Amino acid sequence: DVKVTQSSRYLVKRTGEKVFLECVQDMDHENMFWYRQDPGLGLRLIYFSYDVKMKEKGDIPEGYSVSREKKERFSLILESASTNQTSMYLCASSPGNSYEQYFGPGTRLTVT
Amino acid sequence: KNEVEQSPQNLTAQEGEFITINCSYSVGISALHWLQQHPGGGIVSLFMLSSGKKKHGRLIATINIQEKHSSLHITASHPRDSAVYICAVRLPVKYSGGGADGLTFGKGTHLIIQP
Repeated sequence: DVKVTQSSRYLVKRTGEKVFLECVQDMDHENMFWYRQDPGLGLRLIYFSYDVKMKEKGDIPEGYSVSREKKERFSLILESASTNQTSMYLCASSPGNSYEQYFGPGTRLTVT
Repeated sequence: KNEVEQSPQNLTAQEGEFITINCSYSVGISALHWLQQHPGGGIVSLFMLSSGKKKHGRLIATINIQEKHSSLHITASHPRDSAVYICAVRLPVKYSGGGADGLTFGKGTHLIIQP
């Protein structure tokens, strides 16, 4: 079974802090994605990566950056957390030859 | 206009009822996904389809490419089917990346099946 894990299920941070959300997948997938999910808005793509050290902006990249130094790990970085970044963050991965995406359990981030 | 529209937003039904959730999209797509999200956040992929119909247990997904419409059906619904069901599509190349375009999601249908 594909396993996508995220470093924390719940996280509380203060405004202005630098926040790292980590995602690891164990199936050697080429593609990895970060989404955020908000009530009434659904899931929206923040960034994705199709190879090590490669990244592409999604629909809402402002205020975020990403890092993919190893194939299995994709990190989402909030350089200076703000209250409007309080959300559920979901990581996903997919093999290079498939559109099928496998999701992690999510990290519920609260910025106070 | 949203690129992916789902209906209904909320649905409450009695155990045993036949459930239909609809998804419409505005442009040609490569693939359409139906996802299930239980309380607690975890998302599970139910179906990925680009044409026709797929069935898995009590779940059936259909897609009409010409009409840009898909439906998810649940037969003999059960309280454990209570979840948010999300339709997602892979739109035509939207980003400059190497083919790994992310999905575009509907807002979800919150389904409650009462015993």
